[in-house]
Amino acid sequence: DVKVTQSSRYLVKRTGEKVFLECVQDMDHENMFWYRQDPGLGLRLIYFSYDVKMKEKGDIPEGYSVSREKKERFSLILESASTNQTSMYLCASPPLTSVSTDTQYFGPGTRLTVL
Amino acid sequence: AQSVTQPDIHITVSEGASLELRCNYSYGATPYLFWYVQSPGQGLQLLLKYFSGDTLVQGIKGFEAEFKRSQSSFNLRKPSVHWSDAAEYFCAVARMDSSYKLIFGSGTRLLVRP
Repeated sequence: DVKVTQSSRYLVKRTGEKVFLECVQDMDHENMFWYRQDPGLGLRLIYFSYDVKMKEKGDIPEGYSVSREKKERFSLILESASTNQTSMYLCASPPLTSVSTDTQYFGPGTRLTVL
Repeated sequence: AQSVTQPDIHITVSEGASLELRCNYSYGATPYLFWYVQSPGQGLQLLLKYFSGDTLVQGIKGFEAEFKRSQSSFNLRKPSVHWSDAAEYFCAVARMDSSYKLIFGSGTRLLVRP
């Protein structure tokens, strides 16, 4: 019953490192999203992708980039990790059509700590 | 701008007691509204959603929510809480420009007393 998986549950990195967070979905969805979750702020959209090699900035893209080389895989990249990027990162895969009939699935999250 | 407000950061209830989690939204038209639950170490799971029609929506795990346009609210309720309901709950509204992009509230953490 696997739908959205994330490569790591926990990561610890040092300031300045390049960090890759991987997300894979097995539903053949075109859309994939990256959110970050912080206490008191809920989930905020970082980047999203409508299709392979297509990406768009969300609400808080600064300090992040993404890669979508294959339909099932969406990577979030921290070019030079900073301590303020310590957070929980959630990948999601919503349906292309309206959410009135289809469910948006979330991955279990990656808790990233930047020291 | 669209927004979602969950005024309660934490709520503690006794097992078996009733529960109501508050959610208020800001939206210019009929909103698409959602409640998600996040159990410790888990991703988000959809509890229920509202798009139109009956303003009382039934969800999974015995939860329900009522859409009140006049109050811009979509409060989540459960008549009898179980210890396994301890989790964080998020209210969300779909964006006007794209219905599958969601704006989330800040979340309410539910603690259940034995």
